[in-house]
Amino acid sequence: AQKVTQAQTEISVVEKEDVTLDCVYETRDTTYYLFWYKQPPSGELVFLIRRNSFDEQNEISGRYSWNFQKSTSSFNFTITASQVVDSAVYFCALSDYGGSQGNLIFGKGTKLSVKP
Amino acid sequence: NAGVMQNPRHLVRRRGQEARLRCSPMKGHSHVYWYRQLPEEGLKFMVYLQKENIIDESGMPKERFSAEFPKEGPSILRIQQVVRGDSAAYFCASSPPRRDYGYTFGSGTRLTVV
Repeated sequence: AQKVTQAQTEISVVEKEDVTLDCVYETRDTTYYLFWYKQPPSGELVFLIRRNSFDEQNEISGRYSWNFQKSTSSFNFTITASQVVDSAVYFCALSDYGGSQGNLIFGKGTKLSVKP
Repeated sequence: NAGVMQNPRHLVRRRGQEARLRCSPMKGHSHVYWYRQLPEEGLKFMVYLQKENIIDESGMPKERFSAEFPKEGPSILRIQQVVRGDSAAYFCASSPPRRDYGYTFGSGTRLTVV
């Protein structure tokens, strides 16, 4: 069965601190996709990144970076020099590739509060 | 190119009424997914549709919930005889025929049952 675990329910940091959000996944598929979404207080879901299981290169986008390690089934997300606008709930999600369902399995989310 | 459009954004229904939630996928997207987010929870898959076909409804409650994606018009998630426990945010996502191109989510409909 597929599963995504975000063990950190809430994290609070002070502006300019770096913060890492953990994501551990379980799947028997050899081909799959991993996602991160941001849900700000306004409630919409904002797509951040998609990574397929064959691409273990780490990715950096501005202050955001992602560390994908198949050996530990983890896809962690780091925000460098956090800002108040980063305050949101962050969801990690998993999807099989080309499967009959193709739906996303979400973790329960990590609520990040960045204080000025 | 408009994104995934959901309406209404907020919906209030009394217990026992019907709720209809609409989702217009992105242009060129033929796959629609509905997810439900209960308070303080992550999103849970409900149903996956293509035009005029339900592909996977394994996440739909057995009673009172139905979904459709007609040949013309938006996808509709219908909840009959709503109860307080149906209060949640309902998100729709769409994808092109090749799902590995990714999903796009709408802004959600927040249903409150009073």
